[in-house]
Amino acid sequence: GQNIDQPTEMTATEGAIVQINCTYQTSGFNGLFWYQQHAGEAPTFLSYNVLDGLEEKGRFSSFLSRSKGYSYLLLKELQMKDSASYLCAVPAGYSSASKIIFGSGTRLSIRP
Amino acid sequence: KAGVTQTPRYLIKTRGQQVTLSCSPISGHRSVSWYQQTPGQGLQFLFEYFSETQRNKGNFPGRFSGRQFSNSRSEMNVSTLELGDSALYLCASSLAGVGTDTQYFGPGTRLTVL
Repeated sequence: GQNIDQPTEMTATEGAIVQINCTYQTSGFNGLFWYQQHAGEAPTFLSYNVLDGLEEKGRFSSFLSRSKGYSYLLLKELQMKDSASYLCAVPAGYSSASKIIFGSGTRLSIRP
Repeated sequence: KAGVTQTPRYLIKTRGQQVTLSCSPISGHRSVSWYQQTPGQGLQFLFEYFSETQRNKGNFPGRFSGRQFSNSRSEMNVSTLELGDSALYLCASSLAGVGTDTQYFGPGTRLTVL
């Protein structure tokens, strides 16, 4: 079946680094997305990984290991505005009714 | 370029009523997808429309339906509302479609069913 797991909540300190993990199971892999969602707002796109390895975009990096069904989002030099939920999502396999499956999201709180 | 817009932003209905939500995609985007977000179930895919055709439908009852117009604007309809339909309904647009392209989300419609 299709499944995504990510931690429910994490706390980190301003200026520090945090890693948010995501493990997935899907029949037929076609990339993994990360979205950021501030409370009361719509999700916004952060990254899309198709190949194994690390992709860096400023303070945010995303890593993918297809053989392990594993991804992480790395946030550096944390700022208070990074307090948000982070959702990983994978396109569903051909046997799934849903076109894309989202994880339940990791709520990240940044403390001063 | 204007982003994805949704109307209305907030809606209160009672059980048994029906509701229609509207979504205008980013100009040039032909794919519009709809999602339901609740604290308990998270973000769940409802359906996707591409060039006026429904391409995929998630695991939701037939009370949830939608359509897309020739200008790519889309509407979602929920009939015979139930308390459990209270949720944030998000639409997203993209060039190539769900799962193959970045989704740009609208601000959502917060539906409360009493």
